[in-house]
Amino acid sequence: DGGITQSPKYLFRKEGQNVTLSCEQNLNHDAMYWYRQDPGQGLRLIYYSQIVNDFQKGDIAEGYSVSREKKESFPLTVTSAQKNPTAFYLCASSPPLPTVWRYFGPGTRLTVL
Amino acid sequence: SQQGEEDPQALSIQEGENATMNCSYKTSINNLQWYRQNSGRGLVHLILIRSNEREKHSGRLRVTLDTSKKSSSLLITASRAADTASYFCATDAHDKIIFGKGTRLHILP
Repeated sequence: DGGITQSPKYLFRKEGQNVTLSCEQNLNHDAMYWYRQDPGQGLRLIYYSQIVNDFQKGDIAEGYSVSREKKESFPLTVTSAQKNPTAFYLCASSPPLPTVWRYFGPGTRLTVL
Repeated sequence: SQQGEEDPQALSIQEGENATMNCSYKTSINNLQWYRQNSGRGLVHLILIRSNEREKHSGRLRVTLDTSKKSSSLLITASRAADTASYFCATDAHDKIIFGKGTRLHILP
């Protein structure tokens, strides 16, 4: 089965700690994305990558970092500089054009204690 | 700024009834997409309608697009309990997809 996996499903961290969220896809998609979702809100783009070893900031990149060393993997690090990190984080990928929709992973819920 | 805005924010209907939710947007678009999100899960793509299309069907889903009014509607016919979810519109403009805040749909038994 092809798809996107995110781990862990639930993550707790103490204030001041960095934490890395995993995202892996076996869909052979070049483009990958990280979104943040707050309760009752839409999705906001954090970072995206169109190709290996390249990524761009989205609308709310401050306090986050990413890497794209492999096509299959796009981990997101939530740093201590992110002032309000408690949220639901969604990873997505998209196939080459002309397909323009996103395939989403199941998400990771991060809670800062 | 938010591109797509869904209306209503929440909707409760009896099983078997039709559910209609709307999406308004502000700028010209290439296409508009609808996604479903079950509680605590990722989004699932439902249907895409291009700017030169006016109506599209997929199973029990019917989507319309009125580019003159900058609005779209999603109709779910003969609703089922499994349709309980949040529904998001996403506008694709200038190579950027922007998601609305969603409509929470609850199907009552």
